[in-house]
Amino acid sequence: AQSVTQLGSHVSVSEGALVLLRCNYSSSVPPYLFWYVQYPNQGLQLLLKYTSAATLVKGINGFEAEFKKSETSFHLTKPSAHMSDAAEYFCACSGAGGTSYGKLTFGQGTILTVHP
Amino acid sequence: EAGVAQSPRYKIIEKRQSVAFWCNPISGHATLYWYQQILGQGPKLLIQFQNNGVVDDSQLPKDRFSAERLKGVDSTLKIQPAKLEDSAVYLCASRERGFDTEAFFGQGTRLTVV
Repeated sequence: AQSVTQLGSHVSVSEGALVLLRCNYSSSVPPYLFWYVQYPNQGLQLLLKYTSAATLVKGINGFEAEFKKSETSFHLTKPSAHMSDAAEYFCACSGAGGTSYGKLTFGQGTILTVHP
Repeated sequence: EAGVAQSPRYKIIEKRQSVAFWCNPISGHATLYWYQQILGQGPKLLIQFQNNGVVDDSQLPKDRFSAERLKGVDSTLKIQPAKLEDSAVYLCASRERGFDTEAFFGQGTRLTVV
């Protein structure tokens, strides 16, 4: 069975500061990993995805994430936070085989607050 | 490209009533998901379809929830009878294929059970 854990349900940063949102996964098969963002009253929008081509993945709006197999992590970063980054962020894992094939499992989410 | 369409956007019902949600996925997307998102939590998978077949419904409360995807296109999720704890946002998502592509989400249906 696959699972995703996001460390910290709330993260608060100042505008211009580094953003770091943590995600760890558990999967019996090599996973495909995603970060989604959700603005109030909206559906989820893809930020970036890891599908084994490169361990450092760049996404939209200046976000990037690094896949570290040894740490089973896929942390999301952005060098300089902007007010418009305030939202809820979800890490997700997709199985590529067995009973997890195509199953998209989400973490519990991290709310990012950006202060002026 | 049209996105995933869901209706209604909002629904308020009394407990023990029934309710249905509709989802129209992106054309050509074989995989369709229904998620339940309770306030403050991540989306929880209720059911996954591949074309018109069910791949995973292990977390669907089958005594009250049902879902179908006729002809492998549109899908309907029904709750009968509703309970207070069913208050949540119900998200539909679709994907071109099974595991490495982006899943596109609708805006969701916010259900309030009173």
